[in-house]
Amino acid sequence: QKEVEQDPGPLSVPEGAIVSLNCTYSNSAFQYFMWYRQYSRKGPELLMYTYSSGNKEDGRFTAQVDKSSKYISLFIRDSQPSDSATYLCAMTPTGNQFYFGTGTSLTVIP
Amino acid sequence: NAGVTQTPKFQVLKTGQSMTLQCAQDMNHEYMSWYRQDPGMGLRLIHYSVGAGITDQGEVPNGYNVSRSTTEDFPLRLLSAAPSQTSVYFCASSYYGTRGTQYFGPGTRLLVL
Repeated sequence: QKEVEQDPGPLSVPEGAIVSLNCTYSNSAFQYFMWYRQYSRKGPELLMYTYSSGNKEDGRFTAQVDKSSKYISLFIRDSQPSDSATYLCAMTPTGNQFYFGTGTSLTVIP
Repeated sequence: NAGVTQTPKFQVLKTGQSMTLQCAQDMNHEYMSWYRQDPGMGLRLIHYSVGAGITDQGEVPNGYNVSRSTTEDFPLRLLSAAPSQTSVYFCASSYYGTRGTQYFGPGTRLLVL
């Protein structure tokens, strides 16, 4: 069983829609949770970073962590064509070893 | 700041050849890491370092060597390339205390024939 599971999509939504991206995990030791965005043929870039359970908001992006369910989410409000990318979740117990999901491909249609 | 730089951008190797993928950062980050990205597998950690002279294995270390003689550089060595090592390789760095706010390089695409 993989440490982190992520639906690969692809996900296609109209511009302005609310997007929900999710990951589940099996290791209860994970404490730090991240979402990265990766454009085609580029390196991932950090979008959101949270510690333990709870919500974090940054502009149009909201990250949620539910450690009791071992489930994390990323919500994108008012989605834009420039949000079209692959979104990767990642997590770590200590900040040394990181485990990534396989990524969800998102297309926002104008 | 150049951030995290990687060379080469693309490389073709024959089975059994050796090569070194270069990674450098100019942000004085203590933590550096190497990942490989394969379709359907996501990013997998190969090796990481928490400072000069200190390295450790990640999830998929076999076939790869690393060393960290300076804060800035973290090269990845393939001693005897195999077709299974065909992948896109990313280097990343962060301040050690930030627990995950990693900056990634642009990647090196490696094809082993």
